[in-house]
Amino acid sequence: DAGVTQSPTHLIKTRGQQVTLRCSPISGHKSVSWYQQVLGQGPQFIFQYYEKEERGRGNFPDRFSARQFPNYSSELNVNALLLGDSALYLCASSLWGEGNQPQHFGDGTRLSIL
Amino acid sequence: GENVEQHPSTLSVQEGDSAVIKCTYSDSASNYFPWYKQELGKGPQLIIDIRSNVGEKKDQRIAVTLNKTAKHFSLHITETQPEDSAVYFCAAAIREYKLSFGAGTTVTVRA
Repeated sequence: DAGVTQSPTHLIKTRGQQVTLRCSPISGHKSVSWYQQVLGQGPQFIFQYYEKEERGRGNFPDRFSARQFPNYSSELNVNALLLGDSALYLCASSLWGEGNQPQHFGDGTRLSIL
Repeated sequence: GENVEQHPSTLSVQEGDSAVIKCTYSDSASNYFPWYKQELGKGPQLIIDIRSNVGEKKDQRIAVTLNKTAKHFSLHITETQPEDSAVYFCAAAIREYKLSFGAGTTVTVRA
């Protein structure tokens, strides 16, 4: 079975631009979470979506937004990109948003801001 | 919010020896503690997890222990092999979807 898939794998943008990252969860999984991983650090929680609704949000500015589609795939949008947004963006899926359901990560999208 | 500290930041072991990574957390309400392994160019891979109602869990060469009173948990890898070389992350969560990660431990297994 396919794991969590993310696209694109790499992306280069300039300051001020906008970017959209995509995630397809493991088949049957209904919850998707987004994390930002800066080089040399652990991932930081951005959002969680379950059944197309935002269930939790980390300490990120409003420039970051996301949504989940009826097929449970998700998009992360970042507006007005800053140099500090350069990072690996990870998507994780789990069966549902409650209970003891482990999260499984994709290989991420490497975003570089010039 | 939850704050997770992880030690050591780097660990070099001889093949066949054991490796131990330790983490502490700040929020006593945390009840789920997964460990992830991340190889270069890949996303984190869940290798084992433990919940607050369990003190120890083992899966082949990997074991995790949890001390809720002291708010710390540890990963033990026995009989290390070169393929165990990677960055390992501990995490803690009150809700499983909102993981707070440690800064990572780079493990190198010397042949």
